[in-house]
Amino acid sequence: DVKVTQSSRYLVKRTGEKVFLECVQDMDHENMFWYRQDPGLGLRLIYFSYDVKMKEKGDIPEGYSVSREKKERFSLILESASTNQTSMYLCASRGGGNTEAFFGQGTRLTVV
Amino acid sequence: GENVEQHPSTLSVQEGDSAVIKCTYSDSASNYFPWYKQELGKRPQLIIDIRSNVGEKKDQRIAVTLNKTAKHFSLHITETQPEDSAVYFCAATGEGGATNKLIFGTGTLLAVQP
Repeated sequence: DVKVTQSSRYLVKRTGEKVFLECVQDMDHENMFWYRQDPGLGLRLIYFSYDVKMKEKGDIPEGYSVSREKKERFSLILESASTNQTSMYLCASRGGGNTEAFFGQGTRLTVV
Repeated sequence: GENVEQHPSTLSVQEGDSAVIKCTYSDSASNYFPWYKQELGKRPQLIIDIRSNVGEKKDQRIAVTLNKTAKHFSLHITETQPEDSAVYFCAATGEGGATNKLIFGTGTLLAVQP
């Protein structure tokens, strides 16, 4: 079974802190994604990566950056956390071609 | 870039009735259209998908139709059961490199009343 693992289930951070959310997948998938899920807004794409060191902005990249130094790991970075970044963050990975995306368990981030 | 619109945002049906959720997409290069189900407190999981060279696909009580000309696709659930209650997301994507961007609709909360 494909496993997509996010480093934390719950996080509480202070405004202005630098926050790292980590995601690891074990199926050698080329594509990895970071989404933000808020009620009524669905799954909004923050960033995605289709290869090591390659990244593409999604619909809401402002205030975020990403890093993909190794194929299995995709990190989301909040350079200076703000209260409007309080949300559920979901990582996903997907192989090449028209294939299924698999999601991590999500990280509930609260910025106070 | 791709934009996916999904309707309705909420849907309430009686057990045994059918449910239909509709999505439209904007990028004619999109060629893969998956549907995900997210139960409360759980991660989204794929329930069915359709590729652009197919007009319809069925899996037991679930079916998906695709109209490439109109750029819309729909999820049909027949004989709904209480365990079908969840949030459903449609998505669209292309294939290859940067076009692998997977964009989701805003979701439909389906409530099946017993």
